[in-house]
Amino acid sequence: GQQLNQSPQSMFIQEGEDVSMNCTSSSIFNTWLWYKQDPGEGPVLLIALYKAGELTSNGRLTAQFGITRKDSFLNISASIPSDVGIYFCAGQMGGGATNKLIFGTGTLLAVQP
Amino acid sequence: GAGVSQSPSNKVTEKGKDVELRCDPISGHTALYWYRQSLGQGLEFLIYFQGNSAPDKSGLPSDRFSAERTGGSVSTLTIQRTQQEDSAVYLCASSSTGGTQYFGPGTRLLVL
Repeated sequence: GQQLNQSPQSMFIQEGEDVSMNCTSSSIFNTWLWYKQDPGEGPVLLIALYKAGELTSNGRLTAQFGITRKDSFLNISASIPSDVGIYFCAGQMGGGATNKLIFGTGTLLAVQP
Repeated sequence: GAGVSQSPSNKVTEKGKDVELRCDPISGHTALYWYRQSLGQGLEFLIYFQGNSAPDKSGLPSDRFSAERTGGSVSTLTIQRTQQEDSAVYLCASSSTGGTQYFGPGTRLLVL
């Protein structure tokens, strides 16, 4: 199935560092989403973006919907140990076309205290 | 309920057997989705139900895979004649129409 290009594949950082990951697509999406998945759990929504160019924050997380509608990035500032997990971007056409999500390949984040 | 629930949590089966995976969506959610997550991979869309509309089956990998949603609530994903490459985590999500998708914890399927 289709998957979005997400980078980096993994990151190993020290507590307190900032993190940046991004996602690109060959297709245009109307919505970009960022999810986090903890071991043995389903993904949990972190941030949703609905408009090209939109910049949205949720605590230490900031995400942007690329102006071309084909990319998005997620930044995490001042990382803490509980940020550990796998982060996925997802694109959605929506708007009556289809609501299915197309996911990125994931970024594994490890934070060393 | 409080969230999406799935059963069983884990399933080990022999190659060639049929399996049924169940999803109980959040009460009142009209849309239900099935995704598959293979080891170390992102989630792959399988099928999507929206109300009484015909389901979007475009992600089903073969005719061994089918799903139904009875009474607009509970859904069952059936895999016939399982193969080893079917081993994965099968995730269900539900949403209100056009709303945020909330995921269940998944069923971990291992085909020996």
